Amino acid sequence: GENVEQHPSTLSVQEGDSAVIKCTYSDSASNYFPWYKQELGKRPQLIIDIRSNVGEKKDQRIAVTLNKTAKHFSLHITETQPEDSAVYFCAASMGGSYIPTFGRGTSLIVHP
Amino acid sequence: GAGVSQSPRYKVAKRGQDVALRCDPISGHVSLFWYQQALGQGPEFLTYFQNEAQLDKSGLPSDRFFAERPEGSVSTLKIQRTQQEDSAVYLCASSRGPNSPLHFGNGTRLTVT
Repeated sequence: GENVEQHPSTLSVQEGDSAVIKCTYSDSASNYFPWYKQELGKRPQLIIDIRSNVGEKKDQRIAVTLNKTAKHFSLHITETQPEDSAVYFCAASMGGSYIPTFGRGTSLIVHP
Repeated sequence: GAGVSQSPRYKVAKRGQDVALRCDPISGHVSLFWYQQALGQGPEFLTYFQNEAQLDKSGLPSDRFFAERPEGSVSTLKIQRTQQEDSAVYLCASSRGPNSPLHFGNGTRLTVT
């Protein structure tokens, strides 16, 4: 099955800095890569996703890049704000199984 | 419209008790997933339904775990003879179909004492 590794486990930045979270996946058949944000005690919520026919996708301060050859994808948050503080999860799923496999999460702390 | 609804929000069970966790997905969502999330970890896959068919249950940790979605809408995750290691947050998610964004419920926090 799919295996997703996520780094770092904790990321501490100053407000206004950029934050980058990286994930690698094992199955080259994976073709859908969502990112979820989970605030303390709340449900995970989708913030951005990318499909394997696209190399990069942006939505305001958030961007995701995908390198299919290397089997890794990254989340980039620019101009971080304290409300960006949360746990971020990457996931990967294959066209056949449709079951997203999640990384272990990155706790992002943005200091004002 | 309403999001994914899970009940109960919290459940405390004594070891050996049976529990049933309910998930009400978004209306019209074909796919339904159950995940288990331990403290400080990512969601771990348990089982997946497409309509009423349980297409994958490879993540269920033991035969004490059972899930159903008899009419292709509401789903129930049942855990028999609960053990302490079952303590976790159980998340339900639904989506429009394959490789579509998951919409999660708030989860059920199960504590087995």
